Amino acid sequence: ELKVEQNPLFLSMQEGKNYTIYCNYSTTSDRLYWYRQDPGKSLESLFVLLSNGAVKQEGRLMASLDTKARLSTLHITAAVHDLSATYFCAVDPSTGQFYFGTGTSLTVIP
Amino acid sequence: KAGVTQTPRYLIKTRGQQVTLSCSPISGHRSVSWYQQTPGQGLQFLFEYFSETQRNKGNFPGRFSGRQFSNSRSEMNVSTLELGDSALYLCASSFGRQGGGYTFGSGTRLTVV
Repeated sequence: ELKVEQNPLFLSMQEGKNYTIYCNYSTTSDRLYWYRQDPGKSLESLFVLLSNGAVKQEGRLMASLDTKARLSTLHITAAVHDLSATYFCAVDPSTGQFYFGTGTSLTVIP
Repeated sequence: KAGVTQTPRYLIKTRGQQVTLSCSPISGHRSVSWYQQTPGQGLQFLFEYFSETQRNKGNFPGRFSGRQFSNSRSEMNVSTLELGDSALYLCASSFGRQGGGYTFGSGTRLTVV
């Protein structure tokens, strides 16, 4: 079964700092997604990465995909409090089933 | 445009009862998937439907079932509820498996007492 590992599980960072969340997966896939979840809410789509080398940026967040290394990263630049949430990566092996990482709970401290 | 609509938003049931959750996908989306989210197990895949056919099923007992109607709306049913079924149930829709990702609904929070 496809395994998806995310790290760190918990991240507490100060406003203005940079950090990277890592998502490793165990089998070949060209499709990877990043979602954000606020407490008690649903999953909000952040990025859709559909090929090796794909890089997407939105505001202070940038996601990349290296299918050869089976690794995706979500980089946070100059964090602000509004970015506090749980972030999930999800791998899509084209079976109709997404395999989600464990999630990274991010807290940005003023 | 309207998003994925799940009803009800909250539900409290007693052990042994059964429950039906509903999901209306985004207009034009024919694929609907269901996920269970719990603090201990994270997000786990239940099933995927496309054009009224179940195309994929996760590793859940037979108490969990679903169906999709001709208008792409989907329902999932859980019979003989157990305490461990308490979770957030999320429905997601997409056009298909082309790689555009899924849009998730707000979820149904089920509590079994």
